[in-house]
Amino acid sequence: DQQVKQNSPSLSVQEGRISILNCDYTNSMFDYFLWYKKYPAEGPTFLISISSIKDKNEDGRFTVFLNKSAKHLSLHIVPSQPGDSAVYFCAASGGNKLVFGAGTILRVKS
Amino acid sequence: KAGVTQTPRYLIKTRGQQVTLSCSPISGHRSVSWYQQTPGQGLQFLFEYFSETQRNKGNFPGRFSGRQFSNSRSEMNVSTLELGDSALYLCASSLRGAGGGTGELFFGEGSRLTVL
Repeated sequence: DQQVKQNSPSLSVQEGRISILNCDYTNSMFDYFLWYKKYPAEGPTFLISISSIKDKNEDGRFTVFLNKSAKHLSLHIVPSQPGDSAVYFCAASGGNKLVFGAGTILRVKS
Repeated sequence: KAGVTQTPRYLIKTRGQQVTLSCSPISGHRSVSWYQQTPGQGLQFLFEYFSETQRNKGNFPGRFSGRQFSNSRSEMNVSTLELGDSALYLCASSLRGAGGGTGELFFGEGSRLTVL
């Protein structure tokens, strides 16, 4: 039972353009959502988060949007840079659980 | 402040053997979680320890076990290794736990296990 789904295994974007990574969840008990970034041979690092009481959180080039009614969140990266190429994991927290999605590989081409 | 340290970084075992992986959390963090990463499966939750007690457990067979010591260091053990156990095993620490509060975790670099 995949409670957190990232349906796009990979995404390729041109440098300077917007990258949009999507994530869907099924469990209404989740009330906090996070994005992690992972480079090869390194552990994931926290990128940005959003509480369920908000619908948008922005941090520099990174913005996370939350649509609670659709149980959907997205990560926008503007402008995308080659250094953003990594695996991005969506995670949902609640009820003493933290569940990760399968990840999306982002490739930013220069 | 030192990050999460995992040892060994790489190891190769054969089927049927057992393996123990170690994790030292960030100083002051009482929660340690373990994850298995395989291609296409994302980060699969193994278990979480908080103050030496297992607080949560994922859907893995009993061959996977763990423990946490009084200094918050944690070990995980996999017995009777199978080919499918080949993966990157990640340890993460946090102040309040994987599902508590913000849920922000600090990950180590992982232990890459290859089972032949």
